Amino acid sequence: DTGVSQDPRHKITKRGQNVTFRCDPISEHNRLYWYRQTLGQGPEFLTYFQNEAQLEKSRLLSDRFSAERPKGSFSTLEIQRTEQGDSAMYLCASSFYHGRIPGEQYFGPGTRLTVT
Amino acid sequence: SQQGEEDPQALSIQEGENATMNCSYKTSINNLQWYRQNSGRGLVHLILIRSNEREKHSGRLRVTLDTSKKSSSLLITASRAADTASYFCATDADSNYQLIWGAGTKLIIKP
Repeated sequence: DTGVSQDPRHKITKRGQNVTFRCDPISEHNRLYWYRQTLGQGPEFLTYFQNEAQLEKSRLLSDRFSAERPKGSFSTLEIQRTEQGDSAMYLCASSFYHGRIPGEQYFGPGTRLTVT
Repeated sequence: SQQGEEDPQALSIQEGENATMNCSYKTSINNLQWYRQNSGRGLVHLILIRSNEREKHSGRLRVTLDTSKKSSSLLITASRAADTASYFCATDADSNYQLIWGAGTKLIIKP
């Protein structure tokens, strides 16, 4: 399967703990995005990378969130000192950006985080 | 923050009927995209329409864009049970083509 994969699919953690999620994009895609989605809402942009460079981070994103994409391949999203409000589905997507055409984004299945 | 607003929030129709969903947005855009999300299957890209296009077709899907009204519609013809899903519009408005999403329309196709 050459689609976007995310690991783990589900994570239950206690408030105050740190969690880390991994995303493996489609190999030839140069852009990688992280979103958060809560029930009944559309995805909310968190951050994105072009190759290994993190180009933008949502102003709404707490400093407890950090993302990396070493070597421009897989990416990790870490949440430190989790809070109950962090409970959501975390989605990763990738795309091939060339010039002015944004390209469609291919989404992974998501990681569902529950903070107790 | 969400740029797009889909209307209606929920839609229930009989199989075989046509379904129309609308999306309104707030700022000038480069492109508008529609995605489908099935429970447990993730988001799937359906169609992209550029700001200089007015209508686009893909199979049973027809998308229109009216930039003067800052709105778009998605028409699904001859609906099937498999079309049951949530449908989202997403717009990109800046030079980085970052997508801003609406809250979605939940479509239920009754057999």
